[in-house]
Amino acid sequence: AQKVTQAQTEISVVEKEDVTLDCVYETRDTTYYLFWYKQPPSGELVFLIRRNSFDEQNEISGRYSWNFQKSTSSFNFTITASQVVDSAVYFCALIYSGAGSYQLTFGKGTKLSVIP
Amino acid sequence: EAGVAQSPRYKIIEKRQSVAFWCNPISGHATLYWYQQILGQGPKLLIQFQNNGVVDDSQLPKDRFSAERLKGVDSTLKIQPAKLEDSAVYLCASSLLLGSYNEQFFGPGTRLTVL
Repeated sequence: AQKVTQAQTEISVVEKEDVTLDCVYETRDTTYYLFWYKQPPSGELVFLIRRNSFDEQNEISGRYSWNFQKSTSSFNFTITASQVVDSAVYFCALIYSGAGSYQLTFGKGTKLSVIP
Repeated sequence: EAGVAQSPRYKIIEKRQSVAFWCNPISGHATLYWYQQILGQGPKLLIQFQNNGVVDDSQLPKDRFSAERLKGVDSTLKIQPAKLEDSAVYLCASSLLLGSYNEQFFGPGTRLTVL
């Protein structure tokens, strides 16, 4: 079975603080992709990053960085110098191939509030 | 490039009534998905289309939910009759291809409240 766990339900930080959102996944597939999506109050899910199971290099994009560790089945997301605009619900997701379909399995999300 | 369009944005109905949601995917995207997002949870896949054919509807409650994608473009999701537990945001997404791990692009969703 495929499963994504985001243990942090809600996090509050003061603007300019760094914050890490945790994601732990379970899958028996050897080929899979991991994603992070942002859901602002408007409701639309915004794609942030995709990482395949064979690439464990960390990635940095501006203030965002991602740490993928297969040994611990984790794909954590760090925001450096947080800003109020970062306030949103963040979802980690896993996509795998099963019976011909490619399904995204989402975690329950972490609500991030950045306080000015 | 226009994103995924959905309408209506909000809908309030009484239980046992019927409701329909519409989705227009990104032009050229062959694969279309409908997700249900209950408050406080991540989206859950209901049905997946490749062009106008159903790829996976294993999590669609077929006794009350139906969906179609005529001509392989727009799609409609219907609930008949609605129950209280159907209150959720219904998200439509599209991706360029099936058979790949391409990112899915999401629309703004339709927030359904069943009273």
